[in-house]
Amino acid sequence: AQRVTQPEKLLSVFKGAPVELKCNYSYSGSPELFWYVQYSRQRLQLLLRHISRESIKGFTADLNKGETSFHLKKPFAQEEDSAMYYCAARDRQGSSNTGKLIFGQGTTLQVKP
Amino acid sequence: DTAVSQTPKYLVTQMGNDKSIKCEQNLGHDTMYWYKQDSKKFLKIMFSYNNKELIINETVPNRFSPKSPDKAHLNLHINSLELGDSAVYFCASSSASSGTGAQHFGDGTRLSIL
Repeated sequence: AQRVTQPEKLLSVFKGAPVELKCNYSYSGSPELFWYVQYSRQRLQLLLRHISRESIKGFTADLNKGETSFHLKKPFAQEEDSAMYYCAARDRQGSSNTGKLIFGQGTTLQVKP
Repeated sequence: DTAVSQTPKYLVTQMGNDKSIKCEQNLGHDTMYWYKQDSKKFLKIMFSYNNKELIINETVPNRFSPKSPDKAHLNLHINSLELGDSAVYFCASSSASSGTGAQHFGDGTRLSIL
């Protein structure tokens, strides 16, 4: 069955410390992977896609097919990074983007001053 | 200039009632979704419509009926509300064939059943 797992419910770090939010997936084929973020009192929004291999707000995520992981990393955490982070996966369906997103359970990142 | 808007933001009602949540997007997307976020913050897809046609229908009680009058709207009607329906319901939209395919979410509707 398709599954996305975020093993940590809460990750608490001090400002300036490195951050790694873990995500593992179990999918047949090669899914697309995403990280979404929900800041306090704001809507869920896209942070990163594995396809674009970009760095957003200092965050990067590398797809490791061997380990079926897509961990989110940032070398120096900032207080404004405190939020709920969701890893999500979607089946590739040719050129269509209509596939459903399967979300992980979410990890709350708390960055302390 | 809200991209995906849901109404109402909060909905408090009694068990057994029927209620609707509305969703509209002004992004020109052709695909819309409903997700349910439970008390443990777990997000799960419920339905998806592409060009007003149902394309994803997860295992959801048939008390839940989505309706898409046009590509920009996807409403969710819930009959005979139960305590377990208490959750935050998120609407989202995306473009099936262009752009990143990223889904854009609304602010959510917090449904509380008394």
